[in-house]
Amino acid sequence: AQSVTQLGSHVSVSEGALVLLRCNYSSSVPPYLFWYVQYPNQGLQLLLKYTTGATLVKGINGFEAEFKKSETSFHLTKPSAHMSDAAEYFCAVSDSYDMRFGAGTRLTVKP
Amino acid sequence: GAVVSQHPSWVICKSGTSVKIECRSLDFQATTMFWYRQFPKQSLMLMATSNEGSKATYEQGVEKDKFLINHASLTLSTLTVTSAHPEDSSFYICSAGDRVTDTQYFGPGTRLTVL
Repeated sequence: AQSVTQLGSHVSVSEGALVLLRCNYSSSVPPYLFWYVQYPNQGLQLLLKYTTGATLVKGINGFEAEFKKSETSFHLTKPSAHMSDAAEYFCAVSDSYDMRFGAGTRLTVKP
Repeated sequence: GAVVSQHPSWVICKSGTSVKIECRSLDFQATTMFWYRQFPKQSLMLMATSNEGSKATYEQGVEKDKFLINHASLTLSTLTVTSAHPEDSSFYICSAGDRVTDTQYFGPGTRLTVL
C-alpha cells in the first residue's frame, strides 16, 4: 500500500520569498514521486517527477524537489515565489502504475 | 508532450439521466487509463483503473453499476454516470499511461453538475 501526506493544506508566502511545500510518502517498494499543479477549474499539470537516479529533480517554472529516502520525503521548493505560482499543488506516489495523491496544498502569494 | 483530451469539458444534466464522458489519448496508445473524481477543495480520488479490452478495476466504495467504464480501444476510455444525482456533481479527471515514457498524462477534466 502507498500513501502520501502533504503537511499544510494552505501555505502563504510573499512574492519573492522561498516556497516550501512538504510531502511525505509511504510505499512498500521504491516509489515514483510526482508534484502536480492545478489552477482553478483546470486539470493537473506535471511539475516534476522522480523515478530513479539523481535525487534532486528540477521541474518547470523554477520548481525543484529532493527525494530523501531516509526521511521518506519529497518536498517541493522554489527560491523566489511569483504571483503566478498561486495554485493548488498535489504530491503523488506511484509504485508502478497506480497513483495516489495527497490532499493538496493551496499556495497563496502575497504582493 | 503527450496530450489527453476529455469531452465534454462541462455538462449539466437533470437528476436521473445518464452522462457519458470520453477520455482520449491523442498521440500515444494507452493500455491503462484512470478515472479520478475531485470534490471542491479536495484532492483527487481514484475511482477506477480502466484496462483496454478487459473489465475496469474499481476502488473500494465506488459503485461499478453506477459508474460504467469502457476501454474499447487503446486511445479511448469512457465513463458513464448512470442515473445521476446531485451528489454526483463533481470534477472528473482521467489520465492515460504512456508506457514509452513511463508517464501518466492527465486530461483537462470534466465538470458535471446534476440539477
